[in-house]
Amino acid sequence: EVHLLESGGRLIQPGGSLRLSCTASGFTFATYPMSWLRQAPGKGPEWVAGISPAGGGIHYGDSVKGRFTISRDNSDNTLYLQMNNLRAEDTALYYCAKSPVASQSFEHWGQGTPVTVSS
Amino acid sequence: IQMTQSPSSLSASVGDRVTITCRASQSIRTYLNWYQQESGKAPKLLILAASDLQSGVPSRFSGSGSGTDFTLTISGLQREDFATYYCQQSYSAPITFGQGTRLEIK
Repeated sequence: EVHLLESGGRLIQPGGSLRLSCTASGFTFATYPMSWLRQAPGKGPEWVAGISPAGGGIHYGDSVKGRFTISRDNSDNTLYLQMNNLRAEDTALYYCAKSPVASQSFEHWGQGTPVTVSS
Repeated sequence: IQMTQSPSSLSASVGDRVTITCRASQSIRTYLNWYQQESGKAPKLLILAASDLQSGVPSRFSGSGSGTDFTLTISGLQREDFATYYCQQSYSAPITFGQGTRLEIK
C-alpha cells in the first residue's frame, strides 16, 4: 500500500526558511514523479513543484519560483521542499503526492503538514 | 493555463444526476483530471485523462471532453458523493486546478 508521510511544517515568521520532508513507502520511489501541492484554508489545491523520477526534471509554480526548491533522495525514499523567504500567503497545508509514470495527475496524497507564516 | 469550473456550488438530492463543467483557457487535449475532496481529507483522484475512471471509483462517475471543454457527471448521487470537486490540467507546467465545485445536499 502506498504511504506518504509529510513532516516539518510549523509556525514560522515572515522571511524565514523551512524544509519539509515526505517519506514514501509501499512503492518503488525512484520510478515515479513526485510533487508538492498546498491548500490554503478554504481554497482549492495549488501545485507548488514537481520533480521527475531521477530528479533531472524540475518545475515550479509561479508563486514560489526562486524561493522554493524541490529535491529527492531516491536512496532514502524521501522528497524534500526547501522553502526560503516565506510570506504570509505561503500559509497552507502542504501535501506531497505521487504521480503515475508519465503523467502529471496525483494518484496518491499524504495527509499534509501545516505551515503557518505569521509574526 | 487557467481552469474555470461551473457552477461554483450545486445543490442536489440523493439519486439525482449532476454535471460539473470545466473549461481551459487553451486546448489541453485530454490532459484533464478530476478530484473529489471530502472535508478534512486530501483530494482523491477520480478520473484521469478526461474519461479514464480510476480503479475503485464507482461507475456512476464519468468524464468527457477534449480541447477546452470538459464535464464530470455523477449519475445517481449517493450520500457519500456530497463533497467538493476539482478539475486539474496536466498538459503543461505550471499545473493548474479549477476553483472547485461544492456539491451540497438539497
